Amino acid sequence: AQTVTQSQPEMSVQEAETVTLSCTYDTSESDYYLFWYKQPPSRQMILVIRQEAYKQQNATENRFSVNFQKAAKSFSLKISDSQLGDAAMYFCAFPPWGSQGNLIFGKGTKLSVKP
Amino acid sequence: DAMVIQNPRYQVTQFGKPVTLSCSQTLNHNVMYWYQQKSSQAPKLLFHYYDKDFNNEADTPDNFQSRRPNTSFCFLDIRSPGLGDAAMYLCATSRGPGEAFFGQGTRLTVV
Repeated sequence: AQTVTQSQPEMSVQEAETVTLSCTYDTSESDYYLFWYKQPPSRQMILVIRQEAYKQQNATENRFSVNFQKAAKSFSLKISDSQLGDAAMYFCAFPPWGSQGNLIFGKGTKLSVKP
Repeated sequence: DAMVIQNPRYQVTQFGKPVTLSCSQTLNHNVMYWYQQKSSQAPKLLFHYYDKDFNNEADTPDNFQSRRPNTSFCFLDIRSPGLGDAAMYLCATSRGPGEAFFGQGTRLTVV
């Protein structure tokens, strides 16, 4: 079965510091997308960053970057210079085999940012 | 701005009384999804439309149905809501297997 595992239910980071959220997944596919989504309390889920598996270069979006290890099936999210607005649930997700776009989500990591 | 809009944001319904949640999109995406998200859990896919083709997840209860009258609109019908159906319902769209765009969600309370 294709799965996504986020082993850190909660994480905390000091404002302006760096934090890394972990994600591992299982798939037999060779080409696929991986996503990190952010869901602030009572607000909509938004895409943080996307990685295409055939690309060796790690994706970066401003303060957000990923460490994609395809062989290890690992896809961690690094948030640099953390801000109070980064506090949210973070979900790792990917489309399962045969997907038309639907996603399998990890259980999420709740990130708190301390001032 | 192009977006995904869900109405209402909050819905209170009585146990067993049919309820309909709506979703509209201005992105012209061909795929629309309905996810159920219970408190502190990951979203769980209920079903999705690829164009007009309806795709039901195997474990989605028969109590849940959906309609997509056109590209822009999609509805989630809960025929007889139970207390266990109280959740956040998320609508999302995509252009095939790429990035999904989510609406703000409808929080359903069953009393």
